[in-house]
Amino acid sequence: SAVISQKPSRDICQRGTSLTIQCQVDSQVTMMFWYRQQPGQSLTLIATANQGSEATYESGFVIDKFPISRPNLTFSTLTVSNMSPEDSSIYLCSVVPAGIQETQYFGPGTRLLVL
Amino acid sequence: TQLLEQSPQFLSIQEGENLTVYCNSSSVFSSLQWYRQEPGEGPVLLVTVVTGGEVKKLKRLTFQFGDARKDSSLHITAAQPGDTGLYLCAGAKRGSNYKLTFGKGTLLTVNP
Repeated sequence: SAVISQKPSRDICQRGTSLTIQCQVDSQVTMMFWYRQQPGQSLTLIATANQGSEATYESGFVIDKFPISRPNLTFSTLTVSNMSPEDSSIYLCSVVPAGIQETQYFGPGTRLLVL
Repeated sequence: TQLLEQSPQFLSIQEGENLTVYCNSSSVFSSLQWYRQEPGEGPVLLVTVVTGGEVKKLKRLTFQFGDARKDSSLHITAAQPGDTGLYLCAGAKRGSNYKLTFGKGTLLTVNP
């Protein structure tokens, strides 16, 4: 498995501001992903974080709203830009560890409340 | 259209009872994963099944992958209050670059 940490664990933000969430893994991984989990809902994939290149976004998510960086194999950031109350969610990063296929492990999540 | 139909959505039972959660699809998956998520935490992986007809046991939990790799079930025997949580199934398709599609989840409450 992999040990994944996220910062911050939670935050309360004002509308119109931006928040950057960090995801750090303790070992090399093949893939890193970012998900959103709205209150009482399941997980929705936002994008695949690609090392050294632009992230691959799912339908309904765009780079201007959710810019993502992945400068190396073990670290990624997700920014939630120009926030509105509708962005209040749990944001989760997940990884596929190197050498372990067909399995994703999740970080503890970042709980975001936008007022 | 939900690719993975998970049922039931909510389940409230008494300690000691048995239960089964279902995850169904019209699509074939190369693997299917079950997670449990407790309030305030990220999903924790319980099991990955990859072979049609596969059965895996984890203490009181039994996981089955359908022969056609389109469906899966999670059976809990003698449920305990510690089993309370959101159970999520997630499928991966071959060639999808490990991307997972999640079911809507089953919120299980086990009352003492």
